[in-house]
Amino acid sequence: SQQGEEDPQALSIQEGENATMNCSYKTSINNLQWYRQNSGRGLVHLILIRSNEREKHSGRLRVTLDTSKKSSSLLITASRAADTASYFCATGNQAGTALIFGKGTTLSVSS
Amino acid sequence: GAVVSQHPSWVICKSGTSVKIECRSLDFQATTMFWYRQFPKQSLMLMATSNEGSKATYEQGVEKDKFLINHASLTLSTLTVTSAHPEDSSFYICSARDRTIGGTEAFFGQGTRLTVV
Repeated sequence: SQQGEEDPQALSIQEGENATMNCSYKTSINNLQWYRQNSGRGLVHLILIRSNEREKHSGRLRVTLDTSKKSSSLLITASRAADTASYFCATGNQAGTALIFGKGTTLSVSS
Repeated sequence: GAVVSQHPSWVICKSGTSVKIECRSLDFQATTMFWYRQFPKQSLMLMATSNEGSKATYEQGVEKDKFLINHASLTLSTLTVTSAHPEDSSFYICSARDRTIGGTEAFFGQGTRLTVV
């Protein structure tokens, strides 16, 4: 079962622009993670934000978490063509072991 | 970060045959590994949780007799798709957590593209 929804489903921007993706989830969480997947490849962990954190930065990535709204956002600043990929948020399942992924946002950055 | 190796990266098989996919944690021990399936342009769907030395836990709707999981050691889990059919064609991805650090970060294999003809 999937935990939540990302929006938009697809996003096309120019290099240098910022990209914002949103994720909503349904149950209470300990943390929320964001992953990137290049076409036909495995997943790369980007960033983890804990439930007691509201914002976290890593390089050009900025993640926010609003537990009252059960939502998170991922901002990629100054995007590059190499950022073209699908981005997924993920939270723990009920057992707290496996990750359950949202539907993902496909980002396309053109030069 | 830790490395999870998945093999093969792609496989084509005939309908009715079985295919085995391996997932190895190369530099850490994983008591638990996870198997996901991903159809084109869709998200990852958890199929099962593989537990070392015990039976796997399957998600609702996943046929345990069709998708056989074996986790015989702390570094290896295998997924066997038995009597494969074209509708089993998909991208299969495994992941594992490093049990020594009780990590929350999951490390993913590079995936296996299965095509059943």
